[in-house]
Amino acid sequence: NAGVTQTPKFRVLKTGQSMTLLCAQDMNHEYMYWYRQDPGMGLRLIHYSVGEGTTAKGEVPDGYNVSRLKKQNFLLGLESAAPSQTSVYFCASSYTGGRSSYNEQFFGPGTRLTVL
Amino acid sequence: EDKVVQSPLSLVVHEGDTVTLNCSYEVTNFRSLLWYKQEKKAPTFLFMLTSSGIEKKSGRLSSILDKKELFSILNITATQTGDSAVYLCAVLSMEYGNKLVFGAGTILRVKS
Repeated sequence: NAGVTQTPKFRVLKTGQSMTLLCAQDMNHEYMYWYRQDPGMGLRLIHYSVGEGTTAKGEVPDGYNVSRLKKQNFLLGLESAAPSQTSVYFCASSYTGGRSSYNEQFFGPGTRLTVL
Repeated sequence: EDKVVQSPLSLVVHEGDTVTLNCSYEVTNFRSLLWYKQEKKAPTFLFMLTSSGIEKKSGRLSSILDKKELFSILNITATQTGDSAVYLCAVLSMEYGNKLVFGAGTILRVKS
C-alpha cells in the first residue's frame, strides 16, 4: 500500500495563477481532508469529504475548491492564487469519521506551495 | 471557537532526559484526543485517547487524558536524538465530518 500520496511535492505560482493539488489514497477510506499548515498555527481544515461525490467546507475554505469524483482521489483547487495561500498543504484520509475505532487520520507527505 | 493549546512551544533537552508535553483544549463535541509526531514531512500517529485516566504507552512514550480538566500530557522518557520533532496534539470533534482541531505543536530538540 502506498497509503496517502500527494502531487506535486513543491510548486511556485505567481499571484493570479491557478493550480490543482491531487491527493490519492489506496486504503479504501471514506473520509478525506485537506489541511494547510502555517508556522505557529498548527494544521487547519480547508475542506473535507465524507464520501465519493460529496464535499463540505472546513474552517478556512475561502479561495479553495475541491472535488471528489472518485473515492480514492480528492482534489484541491486554487482558482486565483494569492500570497496568503503560501503554505504547506496536507491531505489526510480516514476509514470513517463516525466510529471511534477508525478515527485515526493518515496523512500524505505534503505539498509546499509558494505564491509570489 | 474551538481551540487546542500546546505548551511549551519549544524545548531543548539532552539525551536521556525525560520530557512532558502539555495539551489543553476547548472543543465542542469532543470525541477523542490524538498525538502526532511530525518530522520533516507528514504527521505520524502516536496515540488516540478517548477515556480519562487510562494511560497509553508505546515504548518510551506515554500519554494520558483528563476530560474533566480538558488536558492531556505526552511523556517521553530516556529521550534520544531521534525523538527530535514537532509533536502535535489534535482533538477530534464531531463537527465538520469529524474534523481534527490541531494545536500549534511543540518543537522538541534532543541534543546528544
